[in-house]
This record gives sequence, C-alpha cells and structure tokens, in this order.
Amino acid sequence: DAGVIQSPRHEVTEMGQEVTLRCKPISGHDYLFWYRQTMMRGLELLIYFNNNVPIDDSGMPEDRFSAKMPNASFSTLKIQPSEPRDSAVYFCASTTGASYEQYFGPGTRLTVT
Amino acid sequence: KQEVTQIPAALSVPEGENLVLNCSFTDSAIYNLQWFRQDPGKGLTSLLLIQSSQREQTSGRLNASLDKSSGRSTLYIAASQPGDSATYLCAVVYNNAGNMLTFGGGTRLMVKP
Repeated sequence: DAGVIQSPRHEVTEMGQEVTLRCKPISGHDYLFWYRQTMMRGLELLIYFNNNVPIDDSGMPEDRFSAKMPNASFSTLKIQPSEPRDSAVYFCASTTGASYEQYFGPGTRLTVT
Repeated sequence: KQEVTQIPAALSVPEGENLVLNCSFTDSAIYNLQWFRQDPGKGLTSLLLIQSSQREQTSGRLNASLDKSSGRSTLYIAASQPGDSATYLCAVVYNNAGNMLTFGGGTRLMVKP
C-alpha cells in the first residue's frame, strides 16, 4: 500500500487567499483525521471522519476552516481566507475500527505570508 | 483536562547506551497508547501500539510498557544508534474521546556517535 498520501507537500500563499489541502487515506481505512503541528502548540486534532461523516470538529479553530470527505478515498481541508497564524504543518492520518492504530501522511507545510 | 506529558523534552546520549523515554497521562481510562517517531521535516511513523489490556509491546530494539493505574508508559530503546535520533511522541486515546489521539509534546533524542 502507498500509505496516506497528501498534496501539496509545500504551499506558500499570501494572506487572504484560499488554501486547499488534500488527503487520500489508506484503502480500507474508515477513519480519517486532520491534525495541525506548530512549535508552540505541538500536534492538535482539527477534525475526524468515520465512514465519510464528520464526527468531531471541535478542534477546528474557526469558521475560516472547513473539511469535507466526499468519498472513502478523498478528503480536503480548506482555509478561506488564510492568515499568517495558520502557518503550520498539516497532517492527515487514517485507521480502521479494528485496530485504531493511526497511520500518518507526510504532511503539508503551509506558509502564509 | 485530559493531558499527556513527556519528560524530558530533549535527551542526548552516546551511541550504544540503553535509554528510557517517559510518558504520563492524567486519566487511567484509556483505550490505547501509541508511540511514534518523527524525523525532522517528516511525518509520524507508528512504532508501537499498546491496547489498554496489554502491559507491553516489543519491536526489535524497542519495548514499550504500559501501567494504566499509575498513568505511565515507557519506551525502552536498547543499544541506541545514531539513526535513532529523532523526536519520539506518545499519544493516548481516552475512553471518552471517541477515536481521537491526545499527544504529548515529544522527546527530542540525539544519539551521538
């Protein structure tokens, strides 16, 4: 298996622009998670899905952030409008209900100037 | 608040030494605990997963233990090598938190040749 795939790997954008991050989970995994990692706050869970349905989005910082999972093999995290404080590494992870061992993608490093 | 703490934040040891990394959690009602490795600029790699009913897991030179009653886990690395240099993260799924991981701040390990 190719593992969790994320794109782009790096994104540099200007404040106010829309940013879309993409994730393809491991085939057969029914849970998908979006995390954000910063030096100040460490790893934080933003939102997670089970069978394409959002279960807990309490970690989403504000209304500028939204996430979708239109099918079992694809999810997006969108920031609109972006701000410099959104600069971070965003990780996607997936797992199954059988083991709950989470597998992480390589991350997207977002820089908002 | 359910938290996960890792001490020390950084550790430097000479090659060949056996070492122990510590993780503590505030609530013993956990579903499982997972140890990850993160190399600079990279994603997280799952090392070991311990279910709440287990006391330890082993993989090669790594051994992770779990003591729920005291709220502690340790990751033992035998015969450390320079290639073990990385940040090690401990994460817990609490029983009342669905499938969400709560991460510690990590221990940054450097093994000197």
